[in-house]
Amino acid sequence: QSALTQPASVSGSPGQSITISCTGTSSDVGSYNLVSWYQQHPGKAPKLMIYGVTKRPSGISYRFSGSKSGNTASLTISGLQAEDEADYYCCSFAGRSTSYVFGTGTRVTVL
Amino acid sequence: QVQLVQSGAEVKKPGASVKVSCKASGYTFSTYGISWVRQAPGQGLEWMGWISAYNGNTNFAQKFQGRLTMTTDTSSSTAYMDLRTLRSDDTALYFCARHETGGFDIWGQGTMVTVSS
Repeated sequence: QSALTQPASVSGSPGQSITISCTGTSSDVGSYNLVSWYQQHPGKAPKLMIYGVTKRPSGISYRFSGSKSGNTASLTISGLQAEDEADYYCCSFAGRSTSYVFGTGTRVTVL
Repeated sequence: QVQLVQSGAEVKKPGASVKVSCKASGYTFSTYGISWVRQAPGQGLEWMGWISAYNGNTNFAQKFQGRLTMTTDTSSSTAYMDLRTLRSDDTALYFCARHETGGFDIWGQGTMVTVSS
């Protein structure tokens, strides 16, 4: 099972919106509404930001939103803030035999 | 509060085994599954497998089949990950994570496993 494809880096200025894509296949992203997104600051554990494609856990800012079209899921961060600078990973369920696959990761830089 | 606390760093020789623990608190342990995820230095996240804390059912990523074991001890609310026949490319930070529908919502702090001769 290959990793989901994400851009290596995305950058934006404070206040702007950015979108991170996560491209899979019809066997994972395209088949299940079980895409999640994680934020990871250096030396820290990942933090769940979005689950079930569009849902935000309690305590996660409304500035983070998720969507999916076909085999590609997306994470949008609006009103970019300095604290959003981190690595972001998508993850999708890929069926009972494979179970879960992560994306390659995207480094978000706030200019 | 809800948290997962993992055991400390390990240094192992190639061919050895390592067992990492993950102690849960703040929730009913048997209600959720636990997944294990690893991250090699400077690399991305890799899902290794999952165990149900309710009935012990497991599901592993194909690349770990045969050398990975996951168990739970409900009396102490602890999950364990046992990886055998270690190689240098198993050097990584190993995380446990509570498995909620659609995502992994609570993470342990990570356990560094170094494989070196």
